[in-house]
Amino acid sequence: AQSVTQLGSHVSVSEGALVLLRCNYSSSVPPYLFWYVQYPNQGLQLLLKYTSAATLVKGINGFEAEFKKSETSFHLTKPSAHMSDAAEYFCAVGLAGSNYKLTFGKGTLLTVNP
Amino acid sequence: DTEVTQTPKHLVMGMTNKKSLKCEQHMGHRAMYWYKQKAKKPPELMFVYSYEKLSINESVPSRFSPECPNSSLLNLHLHALQPEDSALYLCASSQDRGTLGETQYFGPGTRLLVL
Repeated sequence: AQSVTQLGSHVSVSEGALVLLRCNYSSSVPPYLFWYVQYPNQGLQLLLKYTSAATLVKGINGFEAEFKKSETSFHLTKPSAHMSDAAEYFCAVGLAGSNYKLTFGKGTLLTVNP
Repeated sequence: DTEVTQTPKHLVMGMTNKKSLKCEQHMGHRAMYWYKQKAKKPPELMFVYSYEKLSINESVPSRFSPECPNSSLLNLHLHALQPEDSALYLCASSQDRGTLGETQYFGPGTRLLVL
């Protein structure tokens, strides 16, 4: 069964610093991987998605993620944090055999300090 | 337009009330979803409709009753809820091409408080 683990429930960075949010997955088949962001009191917004077309995936708002099969990882990065990046970030994997089910990680809260 | 809208934004109801949540999308998506999200937790899938037919019910209590009147609309009827049902209710939609890894687009949610 597919699962995702997000290391670190809370990450704090300074404005302008590198953002690194970690996601490791387990899957017996090639996975479909997603990063979603949730700003306070809002729904989830898709940041980016891995579908095996390219291992380095670029998303919105300057975020990107690299799929590393050998490490079963799909970490999210941004070179320079902005105050507006403060939010909850969820990694998710599509469930094999289901067009509809996503398995979400527990989420990582990113705070950005001035 | 990749927008899913939900009404109302906030809802307070008593345990004996009947209320409904509404979700709408005009992206031509044929799969629509209801999720429940408690504070500081990931969303939990409740129901999935595919081509206006209920496809998945994740063993949700019968006090939650979904309805899909047409391909653009999804309702969630609430009756005799409990305080522990207080949460953010999220609607989502996807194209439903029958392929794995479809992107789900989420609405802003309805924040429900049951007193």
